[in-house]
Amino acid sequence: EVQLVESGGGLVQPGGSLRLSCSASGFAVSDNYMSWVRQAPGKGLEWVSVIFSDGSTYHADSVKGRFTISRHNSKNTIYLQMNNLRAEDTAVYYCARALDYYINWGQGSLVTVSS
Amino acid sequence: DIVMTQSPDSLAVSLGERATINCKSSQSVLYSSNNKNYLAWYQQKPGQPPKLLIYWASTRESGVPDRFSGSGSGTDFTLTISSLQAEDVAVYYCQQYYRTPFTFGPGTKVDIK
Repeated sequence: EVQLVESGGGLVQPGGSLRLSCSASGFAVSDNYMSWVRQAPGKGLEWVSVIFSDGSTYHADSVKGRFTISRHNSKNTIYLQMNNLRAEDTAVYYCARALDYYINWGQGSLVTVSS
Repeated sequence: DIVMTQSPDSLAVSLGERATINCKSSQSVLYSSNNKNYLAWYQQKPGQPPKLLIYWASTRESGVPDRFSGSGSGTDFTLTISSLQAEDVAVYYCQQYYRTPFTFGPGTKVDIK
């Protein structure tokens, strides 16, 4: 059974950093492409980043230069390193497994950026 | 970037009646080499992650009731719930996975009338 479990969220001050983790089971993250999608409180889904099976990455313009997606194959885990956080980054962050379309989602990790 | 729009923003439908949601992409998401539309639909209920309903614009995900169907091609797509059930109350999103960034529509909220 495929499972995705996010961790690492919490309260951080503006300008601070946080690293989210997404631990996967039931499949190999290196064989799929994996994404982060976020949802601000009461808002819609916003695509954040992707790491393809060949290791290439892409980030939304809203986070480019501040966020970095990566993976650790032996831990079967993907990460989202978030630096220089802003209030507008406050959201639930979901990791998702893609077979082109997003077939599996984690339960999400809440990140709150506030002083 | 490909911009996704949805209409209406919300709709209320009587139990057993049809609900129709439209999605439009700013560029075609039809890949000519395989004739596939890179368009998916997701359902999200309060406090839950999104759930995949439809992919390739019209292929129903395993386990999804057959009252859900997707249609359309190129830039114009539709999600239809043929006979609305109480458990279908949710927000529905379309997403293009044709080109990064893999953008989502703003969502359509479906309620019971």
